[in-house]
Amino acid sequence: DSGVTQTPKHLITATGQRVTLRCSPRSGDLSVYWYQQSLDQGLQFLIQYYNGEERAKGNILERFSAQQFPDLHSELNLSSLELGDSALYFCASSVSGALRGEQYFGPGTRLTVT
Amino acid sequence: DQQVKQNSPSLSVQEGRISILNCDYTNSMFDYFLWYKKYPAEGPTFLISISSIKDKNEDGRFTVFLNKSAKHLSLHIVPSQPGDSAVYFCAASAKSNFGNEKLTFGTGTRLTIIP
Repeated sequence: DSGVTQTPKHLITATGQRVTLRCSPRSGDLSVYWYQQSLDQGLQFLIQYYNGEERAKGNILERFSAQQFPDLHSELNLSSLELGDSALYFCASSVSGALRGEQYFGPGTRLTVT
Repeated sequence: DQQVKQNSPSLSVQEGRISILNCDYTNSMFDYFLWYKKYPAEGPTFLISISSIKDKNEDGRFTVFLNKSAKHLSLHIVPSQPGDSAVYFCAASAKSNFGNEKLTFGTGTRLTIIP
């Protein structure tokens, strides 16, 4: 158990809808990262938050947005969903100043868009 | 543009033998490399890392080798055990001002250890 929790585990929704994925980082971790893993693909970095502020952006679509709240949990909002958004979405966390690059991953949320 | 490549989607190795997983990268700014292991229905788990100032890092049965001139790294597992059966991801990061950089992942290699 990495200490990172993600809810829900599974989500099935229709095209055009909007969903929110939630992540609680390990206790004490200030950074939260979101990744997308599509079928047969590696993990694609979406966005990073550090202590409530956006820190880095990757290949995140404009239809997607995220935020990190004062209690450090984070939410990833996906809107106007398309079939191609079906994927595993992972959240990871790390401590500022910890071993560089070492991130702790949650179990993921599997999103299916029908 | 796939900056981190794992060209072998799968690998089968006999229990007790050495498993060698390979990874190539193209971005010369990468200076920190990691290997993650992933079991089904779980998130990736950090396994071992190496900084570009080193060419080898060892942790128990796991050793990572880095060849900067070839932009190549490899993970050696010896001896291989059935519990090592998983998908292995290579990841890389480049130094930034913030310290916690985004990781660029390869597509993974599925390792199967044959009893």
